[in-house]
Amino acid sequence: GAVVSQHPSWVICKSGTSVKIECRSLDFQATTMFWYRQFPKQSLMLMATSNEGSKATYEQGVEKDKFLINHASLTLSTLTVTSAHPEDSSFYICSARQRGNTIYFGEGSWLTVV
Amino acid sequence: QKEVEQNSGPLSVPEGAIASLNCTYSDRGSQSFFWYRQYSGKSPELIMSIYSNGDKEDGRFTAQLNKASQYVSLLIRDSQPSDSATYLCAVNQGGGADGLTFGKGTHLIIQP
Repeated sequence: GAVVSQHPSWVICKSGTSVKIECRSLDFQATTMFWYRQFPKQSLMLMATSNEGSKATYEQGVEKDKFLINHASLTLSTLTVTSAHPEDSSFYICSARQRGNTIYFGEGSWLTVV
Repeated sequence: QKEVEQNSGPLSVPEGAIASLNCTYSDRGSQSFFWYRQYSGKSPELIMSIYSNGDKEDGRFTAQLNKASQYVSLLIRDSQPSDSATYLCAVNQGGGADGLTFGKGTHLIIQP
């Protein structure tokens, strides 16, 4: 199957700092990528849809100024958590849509804000 | 609002038996249906996709779709302890840029 790579897998940052997570589609071009957040024992919650070359579409309740998304190329989208706080600690997962509508997930990134 | 419903479980099945996972969805316009497996602390892994009514088989897995009743199911034959995981049902309308709408997942436990 298609491969979507996410980096870093684990990150610990201090409260008030910013952290960037990268999502790459390794063997296909993804015009659309998605960012999800998952808290322990909860389902995945879609945060935003990232379209190459345009602004991301955020889900209701997700602060666009706090979660900056950039989709600069057909194979790379980044999520930057700005001014992180402990309540932002979560498992962040990206996914990319391959031609034919199948969506593949990255490995996920664990963010811990201390 | 699009909703995808799953029984959270846990669903306990003896090793070697058939595990049956069910999912219902609210949006009649949905066109694409997926089952993902997620181990604790890991990202979801695509197991099956199904787009038309009926059954689709892949190895020990069979996905079943009934659009009239708005349900999709996943059968796992000859269940193995390694099948123990949370199974997520996901739906989207297809054709556009919509992300997937996930159910909360069913926690499956295969008892050796």
